[in-house]
Amino acid sequence: DAGVIQSPRHEVTEMGQEVTLRCKPISGHNSLFWYRQTMMRGLELLIYFNNNVPIDDSGMPEDRFSAKMPNASFSTLKIQPSEPRDSAVYFCASSLKGEKTYEQYFGPGTRLTVT
Amino acid sequence: GNSVTQMEGPVTLSEEAFLTINCTYTATGYPSLFWYVQYPGEGLQLLLKATKADDKGSNKGFEATYRKETTSFHLEKGSVQVSDSAVYFCVGTSGTYKYIFGTGTRLKVLA
Repeated sequence: DAGVIQSPRHEVTEMGQEVTLRCKPISGHNSLFWYRQTMMRGLELLIYFNNNVPIDDSGMPEDRFSAKMPNASFSTLKIQPSEPRDSAVYFCASSLKGEKTYEQYFGPGTRLTVT
Repeated sequence: GNSVTQMEGPVTLSEEAFLTINCTYTATGYPSLFWYVQYPGEGLQLLLKATKADDKGSNKGFEATYRKETTSFHLEKGSVQVSDSAVYFCVGTSGTYKYIFGTGTRLKVLA
């Protein structure tokens, strides 16, 4: 079975440019998470969707960040305009809500570098 | 609040050595507990899990037992291999969607 798919795997962009990260969750999963990983702050939850609806976006750093989930098989995380401090690895994860364990399955990540 | 504390790394071992990575948690209610492994350049992979007290999770020679009396979920492996070199995360959740991550422990296994 295909796991969580993320694209691109690597993104290098200049400050001020728009960046769009993409995620395809595991088929049948109804919850989707976007995380950011940095050396300084570890793993941070940015936003959580359930059944395509944003439930918790308290981790989104500021208005420059936005996320959408137009259907059950696709989500995007957009940064506009990007800044050097946004450089990090961004992970998407999905799970099946309703299972007691709420275990999440992570994608391979997108390494973003903003120069 | 809920928290997960795991031992600081890095941990360096010789091949075939015994591994223990300590993890303790504080939580209201009864959390589910997980160990994830992250290999260089990859995402987190679920290694094992336990959902209630005295549960033992196991996978690929790794084991961890959910001990309510000591609020611990230590990861163990009897004989590590070079291929086990990675970062290991202890994670808890109290029946909600939010994961509480430990800081991660880097393991390096020398041939």
